[in-house]
Amino acid sequence: EAQVTQNPRYLITVTGKKLTVTCSQNMNHEYMSWYRQDPGLGLRQIYYSMNVEVTDKGDVPEGYKVSRKEKRNFPLILESPSPNQTSLYFCASRRGQGAAGANVLTFGAGSRLTVL
Amino acid sequence: GDSVTQMEGPVTLSEEAFLTINCTYTATGYPSLFWYVQYPGEGLQLLLKATKADDKGSNKGFEATYRKETTSFHLEKGSVQVSDSAVYFCALSDSGGSNYKLTFGKGTLLTVNP
Repeated sequence: EAQVTQNPRYLITVTGKKLTVTCSQNMNHEYMSWYRQDPGLGLRQIYYSMNVEVTDKGDVPEGYKVSRKEKRNFPLILESPSPNQTSLYFCASRRGQGAAGANVLTFGAGSRLTVL
Repeated sequence: GDSVTQMEGPVTLSEEAFLTINCTYTATGYPSLFWYVQYPGEGLQLLLKATKADDKGSNKGFEATYRKETTSFHLEKGSVQVSDSAVYFCALSDSGGSNYKLTFGKGTLLTVNP
């Protein structure tokens, strides 16, 4: 089954304790991206990657890092989490080719992070 | 920059009622427009899309028409079911650039009661 898999699905942590949210897709997609979802704000893009070793900032990158060493994986790293990073995080992917009209993202099920 | 404005929720309807969720957008160029749906505890799924003016996207009884003159993409369904209860997001993707970013509205929670 074609899917985007995120782990963990739920995590409670404390301020300053480094954590990584993993994201893996099995569709051979070139493009991957991370979003955070907050009440009243919708989804906002954190980082994206056009392909292996190619990453760039989205709209809200502060406090996050990413890496893209393999096509299938795109982990989100919080080096020193703070309470304002408490949120629901979604990883998404799509094929790298095609017009914007084909911009159909496949989303993971989400990772709910709480930073105390 | 690009933005999407959709009607505030929550929206509560009885089964078989008519649904409209308004969505308007601001974008440079010629964006593609989407409705995504998020069922409880799940990720977002594409519901329908339209890539150019006057296109109508449809799926599962839902419809939305890309209206360039009013910069709108309102979601409609003639008869909702309890299983339609979810959060609905309007989104756009700009035609330019290499970042396939979706700009989302804030989401509208729909609850359908039996």
